Amino acid sequence: KAGVTQTPRYLIKTRGQQVTLSCSPISGHRSVSWYQQTPGQGLQFLFEYFSETQRNKGNFPGRFSGRQFSNSRSEMNVSTLELGDSALYLCASSGGTGVTYEQYFGPGTRLTVT
Amino acid sequence: ELKVEQNPLFLSMQEGKNYTIYCNYSTTSDRLYWYRQDPGKSLESLFVLLSNGAVKQEGRLMASLDTKARLSTLHITAAVHDLSATYFCAVPTYNTNAGKSTFGDGTTLTVKP
Repeated sequence: KAGVTQTPRYLIKTRGQQVTLSCSPISGHRSVSWYQQTPGQGLQFLFEYFSETQRNKGNFPGRFSGRQFSNSRSEMNVSTLELGDSALYLCASSGGTGVTYEQYFGPGTRLTVT
Repeated sequence: ELKVEQNPLFLSMQEGKNYTIYCNYSTTSDRLYWYRQDPGKSLESLFVLLSNGAVKQEGRLMASLDTKARLSTLHITAAVHDLSATYFCAVPTYNTNAGKSTFGDGTTLTVKP
């Protein structure tokens, strides 16, 4: 069974630009969560999507948004990039029909904002 | 607001020694997850603890959960260099849904020969 995939793996953007990251969950998984990891703030929850609906949202500004498609693939978008958005963005997928017991993480997208 | 605290944050051990990493959390939960992260890599799921008193072992690592004390431990037995990594515990914000989890700050373990 293929694992969680994320594209691109590395990205360099300039302040003020926007970026879209993609995540393909494990086949059959309907929940996709996004996390931001930085040395200063650690791992922080961004949002979770389940069956194309945002189920949970973390404490991030509106510049961070996401969506999920009918095939469970998810994208997250960051507009008007700031230097502080430089981070490793991790996507995690979970199985089950509603209750999710375990998350499987993708390799991450490392975003550098200059 | 759920808070998850790990200690120690940094741990340097000699090969062959035993040690325990502690994970405390602030609100009721009967589920807890442990992950391992190697430098520059993603998170690898180690243990999923689903009830009070749960104990799981894999090789030299053993994890346990005490929901009454809101405490989980990750015990390392006879450490080897390959165990050097950062270990995170995570608690689901909503008891039954792992999709939104709060992570501890991580414990960076270095095992020296």
